[in-house]
Amino acid sequence: EPEVTQTPSHQVTQMGQEVILRCVPISNHLYFYWYRQILGQKVEFLVSFYNNEISEKSEIFDDQFSVERPDGSNFTLKIRSTKLEDSAMYFCASGSGRNTGELFFGEGSRLTVL
Amino acid sequence: AQKVTQAQTEISVVEKEDVTLDCVYETRDTTYYLFWYKQPPSGELVFLIRRNSFDEQNEISGRYSWNFQKSTSSFNFTITASQVVDSAVYFCALSDGPGANSKLTFGKGITLSVRP
Repeated sequence: EPEVTQTPSHQVTQMGQEVILRCVPISNHLYFYWYRQILGQKVEFLVSFYNNEISEKSEIFDDQFSVERPDGSNFTLKIRSTKLEDSAMYFCASGSGRNTGELFFGEGSRLTVL
Repeated sequence: AQKVTQAQTEISVVEKEDVTLDCVYETRDTTYYLFWYKQPPSGELVFLIRRNSFDEQNEISGRYSWNFQKSTSSFNFTITASQVVDSAVYFCALSDGPGANSKLTFGKGITLSVRP
């Protein structure tokens, strides 16, 4: 069964460092998303991406965040200068667009900022 | 603004008991979609069901059933004869419209523990 894969599964970084989280969405999907979940809290929308550009972003997704689809398969989230409050589980998701909201989520990348 | 409220935070049941997880939502959209996702201890989010705002027919799928009541803005989820493998966090979510690229607003989740 096709799945969304994310790397790394866990990353520990120092405050102020740049982090790149990687995702390989399902191959025929057209819509890509990043969500995050601070420990014990709800899952929050960060950004959606379609046709090689950002479709929508939340207020959380400030200038420190960027997304990119550098080739036909990867979808990355970059945090330019990490802060303590960026510590969270980051979920990548993809969707075909045929069934609204039937998103397929990866297993998440846990980011710990020290 | 979209809002999803899952008032229950933790539920603990003994195996084979039935359990209902509550979800109440707020939206100004006339067309919207509601979802349940499961997050097992391994951490991934697993899609369970999607319902659109025009379809209030309740559904049963194996041990799972859903009760969508538009009049009370509720979308409750019931597990019949619960099993230990059902232990997980369950999230209710709401989309912001019918488009293919709709973002989801999640509730805070309900931690379900099923004891043997």
